[in-house]
Amino acid sequence: DGGITQSPKYLFRKEGQNVTLSCEQNLNHDAMYWYRQDPGQGLRLIYYSQIVNDFQKGDIAEGYSVSREKKESFPLTVTSAQKNPTAFYLCASSMDRSSEKLFFGSGTQLSVL
Amino acid sequence: GENVEQHPSTLSVQEGDSAVIKCTYSDSASNYFPWYKQELGKRPQLIIDIRSNVGEKKDQRIAVTLNKTAKHFSLHITETQPEDSAVYFCAATGANNLFFGTGTRLTVIP
Repeated sequence: DGGITQSPKYLFRKEGQNVTLSCEQNLNHDAMYWYRQDPGQGLRLIYYSQIVNDFQKGDIAEGYSVSREKKESFPLTVTSAQKNPTAFYLCASSMDRSSEKLFFGSGTQLSVL
Repeated sequence: GENVEQHPSTLSVQEGDSAVIKCTYSDSASNYFPWYKQELGKRPQLIIDIRSNVGEKKDQRIAVTLNKTAKHFSLHITETQPEDSAVYFCAATGANNLFFGTGTRLTVIP
């Protein structure tokens, strides 16, 4: 799947539930990113990680959490504090910290039941 | 922080005509400007990029121009084909991250 894999493709969340979106890359890229895509709003940065065991908040980090325990993996947890989680979530990676030439995963559509 | 504005939000052209999408940015320190294409239901893919030390770059039917003074850059697609139909996003670097425009839905009418 182009070296960066997201799962699941579709995910449903119940009220008060935390859900975790998976993102794995085998490109040996240092940096990984999570974006949220809403209709008419482009891509907004949630969190990013430029190196293992380190990550920073993006523009819309509230209600989300991440971890970067391995270079290949950057899971995103959508917590119950995120009141409007319905969106298309895209994970991306880049070779270095410059965030140039992003490679995107195929995305996860999260919906609230 | 960086603010990227993109116009138009939708664009329809006849097959064979040209299409132009324009973006402006706010941070004069931005130095990298990529364009991504997202076909329906698929992931965004980088189609062309330009750095601030270059005014224009071409790749077959696609070109990007950059005006640093005015802080705007544009995507030009010539001889459009139905497979060019997609959503196009511009972006600009700021604080080591990319800031995206809101996207342009291009429809090429056969």
